[in-house]
Amino acid sequence: DTGVSQNPRHKITKRGQNVTFRCDPISEHNRLYWYRQTLGQGPEFLTYFQNEAQLEKSRLLSDRFSAERPKGSFSTLEIQRTEQGDSAMYLCASSLDRGREGETQYFGPGTRLLVL
Amino acid sequence: AQTVTQSQPEMSVQEAETVTLSCTYDTSESDYYLFWYKQPPSRQMILVIRQEAYKQQNATENRFSVNFQKAAKSFSLKISDSQLGDAAMYFCATNAGGNKLVFGAGTILRVKS
Repeated sequence: DTGVSQNPRHKITKRGQNVTFRCDPISEHNRLYWYRQTLGQGPEFLTYFQNEAQLEKSRLLSDRFSAERPKGSFSTLEIQRTEQGDSAMYLCASSLDRGREGETQYFGPGTRLLVL
Repeated sequence: AQTVTQSQPEMSVQEAETVTLSCTYDTSESDYYLFWYKQPPSRQMILVIRQEAYKQQNATENRFSVNFQKAAKSFSLKISDSQLGDAAMYFCATNAGGNKLVFGAGTILRVKS
């Protein structure tokens, strides 16, 4: 069990540029989540996948944001036309679906985005 | 909408002493889970303890225990014999009957030697 990994760990970009983050979940986990955390706040849910299907999206996820999990393994989160307000830590988590809700989510180290 | 409130932005505790972090939540669900996560500075978030709402017995994990009051929608975390390594941001969260987690704003815990 190597844990949840995220790349890159840090990203600095200029306003208007596109950025893409990658998350590799724990290998046997079929659920994958994306959260956003701003400084001094708790994480806020963005979206989650069950295998390759995107099952829920938050209203926080504007049309500039898109997430994919093409083969039910790793996931990517893309932000188009970045804005300064997108500066945050983007966290990925994964869990194993055992047929009930509330399974423990295991978090990655996050990708810290700074939009200049 | 589900909400989680942590009313203590910051707490301090002397090494080897006991500290309690407060959390209240609001949900209309009858079956849900509650969590405490720890986020050390510049390190990833890890699960401290998990409570199933239908279980009346309070969860414990070594030096960590909870006081779960379902009627009051209260879920406090007690850390006994505090250690320097316990210094971190602590988040209370609930799955609110679904799959996503709803987090509180967090409590910074400082441990004094």
